[in-house]
Amino acid sequence: QQQVKQSPQSLIVQKGGISIINCAYENTAFDYFPWYQQFPGKGPALLIAIRPDVSEKKEGRFTISFNKSAKQFSLHIMDSQPGDSATYFCAAYGNTGNQFYFGTGTSLTVIP
Amino acid sequence: EAGVTQFPSHSVIEKGQTVTLRCDPISGHDNLYWYRRVMGKEIKFLLHFVKESKQDESGMPNNRFLAERTGGTYSTLKVQPAELEDSGVYFCASSLDGLADVYEQYFGPGTRLTVT
Repeated sequence: QQQVKQSPQSLIVQKGGISIINCAYENTAFDYFPWYQQFPGKGPALLIAIRPDVSEKKEGRFTISFNKSAKQFSLHIMDSQPGDSATYFCAAYGNTGNQFYFGTGTSLTVIP
Repeated sequence: EAGVTQFPSHSVIEKGQTVTLRCDPISGHDNLYWYRRVMGKEIKFLLHFVKESKQDESGMPNNRFLAERTGGTYSTLKVQPAELEDSGVYFCASSLDGLADVYEQYFGPGTRLTVT
């Protein structure tokens, strides 16, 4: 049973555009929601994370929007750049289970 | 500071053979995790070491998988005998041993295992 559902599977965006990746979860015990960025040949690296007590967190061009009632969270990449082309994973973590549950990943391509 | 390293980067073996994957965590990181991503699927947790002890191995698929972390440093993950469905990318991650540090996991580049 997949704990975190991620969409879309792939995304192509023009340079300067906004990239949006969505995730949904069911387990209300989750209390930490990170996004990971993975470049080819590298492991996933923590990009930005949010806790459910806030609805939005912004770090530079990257923003997480969190909707606790809908059990959804999304990553917005503003002014997308070719260097942002990577695979992005959302994840969730909670004290029940003490492990990260990842989404299936989104392959983002930013066209110059 | 060196990151998490994994060896080999790629491995192609035949069904029924044995493969051993190695992970060297960041120096000083007591927590070590193994994950697997089957193509197109989610990254799945396999198990968690704290030093040399298995804290949680609930994600291990079956008894063909054996993980060890002798001396609390590097870890190995052995698959014996390998089956076709074991193909995927195996990631290792490590973190410090504070209450908040579980969230700060640093991933290695992964080992791509192909079982033919």
